[in-house]
Amino acid sequence: EDQVTQSPEALRLQEGESSSLNCSYTVSGLRGLFWYRQDPGKGPEFLFTLYSAGEEKEKERLKATLTKKESFLHITAPKPEDSATYLCAVQARDYKLSFGAGTTVTVRA
Amino acid sequence: NAGVMQNPRHLVRRRGQEARLRCSPMKGHSHVYWYRQLPEEGLKFMVYLQKENIIDESGMPKERFSAEFPKEGPSILRIQQVVRGDSAAYFCASSRAGTYTGELFFGEGSRLTVL
Repeated sequence: EDQVTQSPEALRLQEGESSSLNCSYTVSGLRGLFWYRQDPGKGPEFLFTLYSAGEEKEKERLKATLTKKESFLHITAPKPEDSATYLCAVQARDYKLSFGAGTTVTVRA
Repeated sequence: NAGVMQNPRHLVRRRGQEARLRCSPMKGHSHVYWYRQLPEEGLKFMVYLQKENIIDESGMPKERFSAEFPKEGPSILRIQQVVRGDSAAYFCASSRAGTYTGELFFGEGSRLTVL
């Protein structure tokens, strides 16, 4: 069975304090790895797709990277508006998405 | 707002009652997915539908749960004879492309509470 483990479960940062979130996975035949952002009481919002080891994607203060066993979401100089739960999902040969439980990031001003 | 619309946003049911959750996909999208989210757990795939077709229902419980996406109107997730364990947030997502694309557009969810 495909497994996605995100760490840490929660992360509290000071504004401007850069950090990284981890997503480790075991999947048979990775087709893609996806990062989503979810605000409280809202649905997930798509951020990035990564397809192969070594690939990187950037959007504003966020940068996602992929290796053969894990992905990192780097948050550079975060602002309070970056506070959210960040979800990682993998897509295997059967095409379904398997989501991790998420990392809840809180950025204090 | 041309996003994915779900209603109701909150639904309270007593054990044994029926719950109906509705989802209108984004304009131009013909693929709908339902996911369930329990506290402290990740989103779990339930079902993938296209207009008038269930493509993959491998994540749906075998009993009490059903889904449809008719030619006209929203997609419906129906839960019969609800139990406390059905309490969760149910999210609908849509996509333009098919075959389980990972780039999904989610609604804001329907939160079901079973008393």
